[in-house]
Amino acid sequence: SQELEQSPQSLIVQEGKNLTINCTSSKTLYGLYWYKQKYGEGLIFLMMLQKGGEEKSHEKITAKLDEKKQQSSLHITASQPSHAGIYLCGAVPKTSYDKVIFGPGTSLSVIP
Amino acid sequence: DGGITQSPKYLFRKEGQNVTLSCEQNLNHDAMYWYRQDPGQGLRLIYYSQIVNDFQKGDIAEGYSVSREKKESFPLTVTSAQKNPTAFYLCASSKDGWGTSGIYNEQFFGPGTRLTVL
Repeated sequence: SQELEQSPQSLIVQEGKNLTINCTSSKTLYGLYWYKQKYGEGLIFLMMLQKGGEEKSHEKITAKLDEKKQQSSLHITASQPSHAGIYLCGAVPKTSYDKVIFGPGTSLSVIP
Repeated sequence: DGGITQSPKYLFRKEGQNVTLSCEQNLNHDAMYWYRQDPGQGLRLIYYSQIVNDFQKGDIAEGYSVSREKKESFPLTVTSAQKNPTAFYLCASSKDGWGTSGIYNEQFFGPGTRLTVL
């Protein structure tokens, strides 16, 4: 079955440090989404990537989708406590185009 | 402000009881979704609806039921047949299921309902 894997599972960084979260699919995707979730709350949409090699940035967060459209990375520059939360990737696999599947999430803690 | 609301935020249920979780959106979105989130796992799709009066089962529909009588509302009933209902439930909506180019529009999520079975 189609699955999305995320790494690392959890991450603790000191404020000001850079970090990267990865999302990997075993199959080619139509598109990939990044969301952020505070514990016990809903998901906040961050970015959507559709084309192989595409890169998008919002404030200090940059996301890239590889050329094969199977792997994405989310990079945070100069992390702040406000970046703490759970980051989830979601994707539409070409094998089941009518629904989104989600990765298990990466828990990020930022120490002041 | 446009958005998605879910109620209640916390819900407690005795075994054998059915409960209904509310989800309302004023974004004029056609598609709505229900997900279940368990600790350490990603979101799993329970049901989704692309249009009023129509809905489809997701990956874990057993023990759940939905209705879509109005565009704005997509309530989820957790029945007594659901063996392990304790979880965090998230409702989402999107402009439509997928665009003409095959691109799936991003989903907007409600704040969630935490259901605990006593």
